[in-house]
Amino acid sequence: QSVLTQPPSASGTPGQRVTISCSGSSSNIGSNHVYWYQQLPGTAPKLLIYRSNQRPSGVPDRFSGSKSGTSASLAISGLRSEDEADYYCTAWDNSLSGVVFGGGTKVTVL
Amino acid sequence: EVQLVESGGGLDQPGGSLRLSCAASGFTFSNYWMHWVRQAPGKGLVWVARIKGDGTSTNYADSVKGRFTISRDNAKNSLYLQMNSLTAEDTAVYFCARDGLYNSGMDVWGQGTTVTVSS
Repeated sequence: QSVLTQPPSASGTPGQRVTISCSGSSSNIGSNHVYWYQQLPGTAPKLLIYRSNQRPSGVPDRFSGSKSGTSASLAISGLRSEDEADYYCTAWDNSLSGVVFGGGTKVTVL
Repeated sequence: EVQLVESGGGLDQPGGSLRLSCAASGFTFSNYWMHWVRQAPGKGLVWVARIKGDGTSTNYADSVKGRFTISRDNAKNSLYLQMNSLTAEDTAVYFCARDGLYNSGMDVWGQGTTVTVSS
């Protein structure tokens, strides 16, 4: 049972927009930045979004992040086949004094 | 090139110990917090521990507190995870990751090293 709650799966056709939610609490998302990671099959995770809505250099602007209250979301617009991956949200948790991850969302491109 | 390379994984029995290493290159290692994150087979990412750049502060997940110790040797640009009292639930790929400056997230990851705990 993960501290941050994500839907286990999401899907869309090429070109569509897919949104992944991440629900937390006042001790994590509600008071700290949210980060999103992409993990392609068999590879290490890759930073996708930092400080809730910032993209590292090299990450396409098709990926965007937002945060409101104790929830955050990742949007993928113009879905492409190479976006098939697992996506994880994370945040620092003040009560646990540690990093908490969501359970991950598997995105499938139909 | 900025790079992290883990080593030290392997097969161990329940109750045993292993020490993982993470060799860093291409950046000023001592300036960065470092993390260990693990992933059990077919499961999601789980944070394990982190350590401050100068080694003076550490945090642990409750599941490993008292059994695992994170440390670093800045002179050797190396991060370590001493794992004691291993159980089957510790079976996972272990990744080391750099925590970027100014809250920029875990911006560099190693390829991971596999730990299997089984009798």
